[in-house]
Amino acid sequence: GQNIDQPTEMTATEGAIVQINCTYQTSGFNGLFWYQQHAGEAPTFLSYNVLDGLEEKGRFSSFLSRSKGYSYLLLKELQMKDSASYLCAVMDSNYQLIWGAGTKLIIKP
Amino acid sequence: GAVVSQHPSRVICKSGTSVKIECRSLDFQATTMFWYRQFPKQSLMLMATSNEGSKATYEQGVEKDKFLINHASLTLSTLTVTSAHPEDSSFYICSATRGHTEAFFGQGTRLTVV
Repeated sequence: GQNIDQPTEMTATEGAIVQINCTYQTSGFNGLFWYQQHAGEAPTFLSYNVLDGLEEKGRFSSFLSRSKGYSYLLLKELQMKDSASYLCAVMDSNYQLIWGAGTKLIIKP
Repeated sequence: GAVVSQHPSRVICKSGTSVKIECRSLDFQATTMFWYRQFPKQSLMLMATSNEGSKATYEQGVEKDKFLINHASLTLSTLTVTSAHPEDSSFYICSATRGHTEAFFGQGTRLTVV
């Protein structure tokens, strides 16, 4: 079956760095997405990786290793507004998004 | 970036009535539109995949006669929750894909059935 795993919850301190991991097993692979979702709102797009390596976009970076079925989202210089759920999703061979359950990130002052 | 507009953002309806939710891609033609449902503190659950001009493909366990999806054009898909019941209360989110690699989400619709 298809499976996306990510930690349920993480806590970090304002100004620090946090890494959210995601491992996946899917039928085919057409890219991995990271989304941010604040409570009660729709997800917003953060990053897309289809090739191995690190993609940097401001304070957020995303890494992919296809051979290991592994990705991480790295958030630097954490701000209180970064408190949200972070969803990992993989696009399978049918171009459907398979979702992880999300990681709730709690930022403490 | 591309914009997907979902309307209404909130709706309260009486049990037994029907509710229609619209999803529009405002500045691109969507290859495919997806409808998701999300219960509190849970991940997105795909309900159905919709391609313009063809019948929607529903996920296992989703009643197609209860959740009617119409995809009349490349920029508009609608989800109608028929004969709504309190257990249908949820957050419904649409997304539209541009090509195969970009997925944009609507704002979501919070449905409360009383």
